[in-house]
Amino acid sequence: DAKTTQPNSMESNEEEPVHLPCNHSTISGTDYIHWYRQLPSQGPEYVIHGLTSNVNNRMASLAIAEDRKSSTLILHRATLRDAAVYYCILRNTGKLIFGQGTTLQVKP
Amino acid sequence: GAGVSQSPSNKVTEKGKDVELRCDPISGHTALYWYRQRLGQGLEFLIYFQGNSAPDKSGLPSDRFSAERTGESVSTLTIQRTQQEDSAVYLCASSLSSGNQPQHFGDGTRLSIL
Repeated sequence: DAKTTQPNSMESNEEEPVHLPCNHSTISGTDYIHWYRQLPSQGPEYVIHGLTSNVNNRMASLAIAEDRKSSTLILHRATLRDAAVYYCILRNTGKLIFGQGTTLQVKP
Repeated sequence: GAGVSQSPSNKVTEKGKDVELRCDPISGHTALYWYRQRLGQGLEFLIYFQGNSAPDKSGLPSDRFSAERTGESVSTLTIQRTQQEDSAVYLCASSLSSGNQPQHFGDGTRLSIL
């Protein structure tokens, strides 16, 4: 499975946008880019996924580089409830292969 | 609607005992997954079931681990002769299919081996 690289941690202020980067230089043509997040003491929660085009949903936006070797998860207005570990995952089969993710801290 | 339900939520057992963990997926979801998360670490894939196809067991760490699923409903993960390194949160997820459909996770079973 192709590997992703994310910063270990990031900080944001409440009500400001947050851009969470992910590098995936060995991505293959059939890999989808998935994002999940895990709040403390809970199971992971699906956030968004995409293949080539940018994607928007009620939770976030996903910006995918033209060469697909990197992507950015965008939270438009961070809230305290967005404090979590965010996982960027390349997927072309059923299973998800989780890395260490980015721990996002949101300051009031 | 109801989400993925796992039971028990916590399990404490002695080393060497067998344990069974249960997962009730979302109704209508044909794919079911098991993962393990050790303290302070990311999730490790264990096994997944897709309809009537043979399960992908590639993540099971040893032959002490096994899982079954009846049709498209309940699944049980069994760990025989538990060891202390089996202590972890065991998470179950389900999805409409095994393609790129989002996986919906339960809150896990916290297993502690004394």
